[in-house]
Amino acid sequence: GQNIDQPTEMTATEGAIVQINCTYQTSGFNGLFWYQQHAGEAPTFLSYNVLDGLEEKGRFSSFLSRSKGYSYLLLKELQMKDSASYLCAVSDSNYQLIWGAGTKLIIKP
Amino acid sequence: GAVVSQHPSWVICKSGTSVKIECRSLDFQATTMFWYRQFPKQSLMLMATSNEGSKATYEQGVEKDKFLINHASLTLSTLTVTSAHPEDSSFYICSATEASEVGEQFFGPGTRLTVL
Repeated sequence: GQNIDQPTEMTATEGAIVQINCTYQTSGFNGLFWYQQHAGEAPTFLSYNVLDGLEEKGRFSSFLSRSKGYSYLLLKELQMKDSASYLCAVSDSNYQLIWGAGTKLIIKP
Repeated sequence: GAVVSQHPSWVICKSGTSVKIECRSLDFQATTMFWYRQFPKQSLMLMATSNEGSKATYEQGVEKDKFLINHASLTLSTLTVTSAHPEDSSFYICSATEASEVGEQFFGPGTRLTVL
């Protein structure tokens, strides 16, 4: 079956760095997405990786290793507004998104 | 960036009534639209995928007669929850893409449905 695993919850300190991991097993692979979702709101797009390596976008970076079925989202210089759930999603062979359960990130002052 | 709107943003209804939720792509033509449901503290659950002018493809376990989806144009899809019951109370989110292949899904703001 298809499976996306990511930690349920993480806690970090304002100003610090946090890495949220995602491992996946899917039938086919057409890219991996990271979305941010604040409570009560819809997800918003953060990043897309289809090739191995690191994609940097401001304070957020996303890494992919297709051979390991592994990705991480790196958040630097954490701000209180970064408190949210972070969803990992993989596009499978049918271009359908398979969603992880999300990682709730709690930022403490 | 691409904008997707949803209407209404929240709705409260009595058990047994039907509720229609609209999803519109405002500045692009959405080849494919997706309907998700999200219960508290759970991840997104895909309900169905719809392409303009054709019948929606429902995920396993989703009743097509209860959740009616119409994708009448490239900018509008509707989800009708028929004979809603309290267990249908959830956060319903639509998303849209410009192509059927891999691409970013643009999400609407969601509709919170409460069935009394």
